[in-house]
Amino acid sequence: EAAVTQSPRSKVAVTGGKVTLSCHQTNNHDYMYWYRQDTGHGLRLIHYSYVADSTEKGDIPDGYKASRPSQENFSLILELASLSQTAVYFCASSDAGFSNERLFFGHGTKLSVL
Amino acid sequence: AQSVTQPDARVTVSEGASLQLRCKYSYFGTPYLFWYVQYPRQGLQLLLKYYPGDPVVQGVNGFEAEFSKSNSSFHLRKASVHWSDWAVYFCAVSMDYNQGKLIFGQGTKLSIKP
Repeated sequence: EAAVTQSPRSKVAVTGGKVTLSCHQTNNHDYMYWYRQDTGHGLRLIHYSYVADSTEKGDIPDGYKASRPSQENFSLILELASLSQTAVYFCASSDAGFSNERLFFGHGTKLSVL
Repeated sequence: AQSVTQPDARVTVSEGASLQLRCKYSYFGTPYLFWYVQYPRQGLQLLLKYYPGDPVVQGVNGFEAEFSKSNSSFHLRKASVHWSDWAVYFCAVSMDYNQGKLIFGQGTKLSIKP
């Protein structure tokens, strides 16, 4: 079974601080994604990447940066964390191409910004 | 704009009863539709997916969904629910051929009465 591992599982950050969320996949997938889930809402795409050393903006990229240093690793960076960024963050990976079958999600990182 | 609406935030059914979770979509073009399930403290997992073709698609654990172009719907059904189906269910539509760029509905939390 494909595996996507996120760290940390939960984090408390202070307003204005820097936060880095990490994601590691052992699926040998080319595509990786960061989604945000707010209570009572569906997931929204923040950033994604098709290949190492390249990232793309999703639907809600403001306030976030992404880094894809290798095929296996994809980080989400909050340079100046804000209260509104309190949410659960999910990383996912998928195989390349239209024949791709599904997204594989990590367990999520619960971020609380105080 | 493309969107997905799940009109029922919460649904409660008795174990052994039938289930329908509703999903309406707004999408220009050919939709590729998905149902994902999120069990407690886990990431999302694919239940089933629809590609243009047979409107009724079968998924895992006895779930099925029916696509209706005329109603812009993709409702999820199960003939007999089990307590292990207690979870949050998300409907999603693909924004393009890259299935990772999904638009999610708000989710429906399913509770099971013994």
